[in-house]
Amino acid sequence: NAGVMQNPRHLVRRRGQEARLRCSPMKGHSHVYWYRQLPEEGLKFMVYLQKENIIDESGMPKERFSAEFPKEGPSILRIQQVVRGDSAAYFCASSPFARSTTNEKLFFGSGTQLSVL
Amino acid sequence: RKEVEQDPGPFNVPEGATVAFNCTYSNSASQSFFWYRQDCRKEPKLLMSVYSSGNEDGRFTAQLNRASQYISLLIRDSKLSDSATYLCVVNSFGNQGGKLIFGQGTELSVKP
Repeated sequence: NAGVMQNPRHLVRRRGQEARLRCSPMKGHSHVYWYRQLPEEGLKFMVYLQKENIIDESGMPKERFSAEFPKEGPSILRIQQVVRGDSAAYFCASSPFARSTTNEKLFFGSGTQLSVL
Repeated sequence: RKEVEQDPGPFNVPEGATVAFNCTYSNSASQSFFWYRQDCRKEPKLLMSVYSSGNEDGRFTAQLNRASQYISLLIRDSKLSDSATYLCVVNSFGNQGGKLIFGQGTELSVKP
């Protein structure tokens, strides 16, 4: 049973370009979370998705960022017109449980390190 | 005030030492608590859940004080391989269900 798969591991973009980060959850998991970790900081929640639905995007910046989790295929975190401040590690996590459960444990992917030049 | 706050660290200790990390959380409605470990900014990995009665897993002991909204992690007989950043994590419930809130992490470096 493969774990949470993220690609690419490293992504370099110039300012103004688009970044697309992919996440395939563990088999049987239909709940996906994206977290961002800026240098020297902890992980910050961005968005929670179930298949074809965004459940909570309270941690997403209001502009340039979007996320989807289609019926088929991986979850995508898309950053348009990247800026240097977007440079961070982006982690995806999945869970078989709905977020309302109290014993939720997340399984994390290896992350995508985004560097904006 | 941050939702989850940890000792800033870093903690530099010799092998065999006992080290304790502290964490406080602000949302009294939080239901579940965890310690995760992160090595060199790789993916966080679950170390242990934290229960009200306190729980132990080998050299690791976690405690929860709901009244004080305080969580701790004790590592006994520390090993070189324990060197990592330890993340205090709280399941914080709101209108859209729970979500895991991470502390900023406490770095531990165990020296020979």
